[in-house]
Amino acid sequence: DAKTTQPPSMDCAEGRAANLPCNHSTISGNEYVYWYRQIHSQGPQYIIHGLKNNETNEMASLIITEDRKSSTLILPHATLRDTAVYYCIVRGNNDYKLSFGAGTTVTVRA
Amino acid sequence: ETGVTQTPRHLVMGMTNKKSLKCEQHLGHNAMYWYKQSAKKPLELMFVYNFKEQTENNSVPSRFSPECPNSSHLFLHLHTLQPEDSALYLCASSPQPDRGESNYGYTFGSGTRLTVV
Repeated sequence: DAKTTQPPSMDCAEGRAANLPCNHSTISGNEYVYWYRQIHSQGPQYIIHGLKNNETNEMASLIITEDRKSSTLILPHATLRDTAVYYCIVRGNNDYKLSFGAGTTVTVRA
Repeated sequence: ETGVTQTPRHLVMGMTNKKSLKCEQHLGHNAMYWYKQSAKKPLELMFVYNFKEQTENNSVPSRFSPECPNSSHLFLHLHTLQPEDSALYLCASSPQPDRGESNYGYTFGSGTRLTVV
């Protein structure tokens, strides 16, 4: 049962911001939104997570809508090394399982 | 280096062989996981261990046998595998959720690329 919906793929120009959308219309009050990415043939890497406030770290920004039904991951200045599959995952406060969908394949082009 | 180390990185084995995958973490995490990623498919959760106890087995065939001797080590014992078991096997660890921490971020290893011939 998919909790999130992401576009299968998107292209981005190097140096530009990449905005990755995610729909999670059935999210409940205690569920966080997590973003991971997986560069080819490596293990997934944690990017950022949030509950309801927007979050920013050295890798990315996470914008969560006020109704929490969708979010956007922003890579401010995409580089070729940001080419990866990006996963948006919803997980509850006491749920230790992380379930991956198909994600969005992001290709950054020079 | 993520803090989760998997060995070997690559493994080729025959269908009659017995081999083991090893995962080690020294992040102080209490939960450990095995995932399987077949070509062009999403990651599939196989097993979950919490404080060394197996808490989840997602209908994994018995030819895969996990072992968690302590919170820092996790093994996946393999025997009589099939070619369709060829995949990237990923280990991950995370903190214990009951402590009320908001960040249950997983840390993944780099995986073992398994080929069954």
